[in-house]
Amino acid sequence: AQRVTQPEKLLSVFKGAPVELKCNYSYSGSPELFWYVQYSRQRLQLLLRHISRESIKGFTADLNKGETSFHLKKPFAQEEDSAMYYCALSDSGGSNYKLTFGKGTLLTVNP
Amino acid sequence: GAVVSQHPSRVICKSGTSVKIECRSLDFQATTMFWYRQFPKQSLMLMATSNEGSKATYEQGVEKDKFLINHASLTLSTLTVTSAHPEDSSFYICSARDSTSGATDTQYFGPGTRLTVL
Repeated sequence: AQRVTQPEKLLSVFKGAPVELKCNYSYSGSPELFWYVQYSRQRLQLLLRHISRESIKGFTADLNKGETSFHLKKPFAQEEDSAMYYCALSDSGGSNYKLTFGKGTLLTVNP
Repeated sequence: GAVVSQHPSRVICKSGTSVKIECRSLDFQATTMFWYRQFPKQSLMLMATSNEGSKATYEQGVEKDKFLINHASLTLSTLTVTSAHPEDSSFYICSARDSTSGATDTQYFGPGTRLTVL
């Protein structure tokens, strides 16, 4: 069974500091990994996905198959980055592309 | 970008009544839509996968007779909570997968529906 683990429920950093949100997964096939973000009172939205290898809002995430990790990083956090971040894994081996979400990490960037 | 809407945004109903929630993809076709439930300060829990023109696939532990799903068109899926009880009070979120996007697994999420059962 696939599983996504986000070990930190809460993460607090100061503005300008580096930030890393951890995500580990277990999946028997070839995973498709995503980071979703939910700002206060807004809907869940896609931040980035590993197959795109892109940087969105200064965030990057590298899939490390050896460590089964997909940590989200940003070198200099901004106050507007404060949000709930969810790591998700897609069951792309099936036909329905179901997403399994981690429990989420609430990031607070203090001024 | 792709937009998914949900209606209503919030609903309050009496115990024993049924409530229907609509999920629409506004600018794309979605052969597959998903229904999630989110408890306060918790993650999203997948309830069921809705496929256009066929029966929904429910996750383990989700009562299909309780949560009726209909995906009658490529842009609309509905979730009906039948004989609602207070324990059904929750935030229900739908998402839709753009079926024209090929193999991409990107899901676009609706804003959610807050259901309160008195």
